Amino acid sequence: DGGITQSPKYLFRKEGQNVTLSCEQNLNHDAMYWYRQDPGQGLRLIYYSQIVNDFQKGDIAEGYSVSREKKESFPLTVTSAQKNPTAFYLCASSIDLLRGSTDTQYFGPGTRLTVL
Amino acid sequence: GENVEQHPSTLSVQEGDSAVIKCTYSDSASNYFPWYKQELGKRPQLIIDIRSNVGEKKDQRIAVTLNKTAKHFSLHITETQPEDSAVYFCAANAGGTSYGKLTFGQGTILTVHP
Repeated sequence: DGGITQSPKYLFRKEGQNVTLSCEQNLNHDAMYWYRQDPGQGLRLIYYSQIVNDFQKGDIAEGYSVSREKKESFPLTVTSAQKNPTAFYLCASSIDLLRGSTDTQYFGPGTRLTVL
Repeated sequence: GENVEQHPSTLSVQEGDSAVIKCTYSDSASNYFPWYKQELGKRPQLIIDIRSNVGEKKDQRIAVTLNKTAKHFSLHITETQPEDSAVYFCAANAGGTSYGKLTFGQGTILTVHP
């Protein structure tokens, strides 16, 4: 999991602003994921992408957007439409089952987003 | 979609005791069940996983058992140590074309008292 980086580590947003969280991996993984974690709760899937130029909504996609223009990058934009964005955001990647042998997801260090 | 339930939500044990965390899942097509450990403010780290063609898997003090008929799997930690204190999450993958997608349980806060 040392091959996945997220930036920034901490991010502060004013209400009404869009912000973009970065996720980069050098593991040559096909699939990438974004999760949201609230205090005392599990990980909830926002978006995932199994291949470049394609992505799917997860369980809580409203108010978020993503792009997957490059294999190694999967940025997440938190839009002003997300009413309660304060949370810990985790990016993950895995080898796609089409070619690989595992679903193991490796996580980045996370970005803590706070709305002021 | 997949639903994963995890129990208990908190677990407190004395050092040297065993700890057991249980999860149930709903999608009969699920075939991959990882367990993650997350320390405060850190990323989740995979500690063990099991696939549906195996009933039990061990790695030193950690073991996972799977009962596909009953759709439940469990994490067993023996000889617990204070450094085992963390939040543990179970997960199950999705079947069909969403096979890479994981659904996580709510987490168990494990506290090991010296």
